[in-house]
Amino acid sequence: AQSVTQLGSHVSVSEGALVLLRCNYSSSVPPYLFWYVQYPNQGLQLLLKYTTGATLVKGINGFEAEFKKSETSFHLTKPSAHMSDAAEYFCAVSDKGGGADGLTFGKGTHLIIQP
Amino acid sequence: EAEVAQSPRYKITEKSQAVAFWCDPISGHATLYWYRQILGQGPELLVQFQDESVVDDSQLPKDRFSAERLKGVDSTLKIQPAELGDSAMYLCASRAALGQGYNEQFFGPGTRLTVL
Repeated sequence: AQSVTQLGSHVSVSEGALVLLRCNYSSSVPPYLFWYVQYPNQGLQLLLKYTTGATLVKGINGFEAEFKKSETSFHLTKPSAHMSDAAEYFCAVSDKGGGADGLTFGKGTHLIIQP
Repeated sequence: EAEVAQSPRYKITEKSQAVAFWCDPISGHATLYWYRQILGQGPELLVQFQDESVVDDSQLPKDRFSAERLKGVDSTLKIQPAELGDSAMYLCASRAALGQGYNEQFFGPGTRLTVL
């Protein structure tokens, strides 16, 4: 079965600093990988996804992630943090049906932006 | 912009009572998912529908939980009787069958359940 590990339940950065949220996965087949963002008492919004092809994926709000098969990682980055980026971030994997089946999520990383 | 609708947004109930949550997916989305998100955790899949058929309910506690999608459109998730450990956010998501966004799940705002 697949699994997702997000290192760091809380990450704090200063406004304007680099954001790095770590995600490692385990999967028996080539995975489909996703990053979602969740604001308080709201549903999840897709930031970006990796399916096939280019391993560097660009998403919304200036975020990007790189799929590294050798490291089984899919870390999320943003060059310059903004106060509005403060939220909960979830990494997810699907290794069945090309993303058609239910996702397996990590426990989430709470991103705190210091002014 | 099309969205997944859920109601109610918040529900408070006492243990041993029955509760029900409703989800209306994006029009035309054949696949519908129910997830449970315990506070401080990531969502966990409870059940997946393809049209009106259950595709995966392996993680659904069937002694107290039930889900249906009778006409292959909207769906209801029921808990009877509710237990304290059921307090969580219940999220509904839907996915298109074909075309752009095929492998993207769109999430609703969720129903926050509190069991007292």
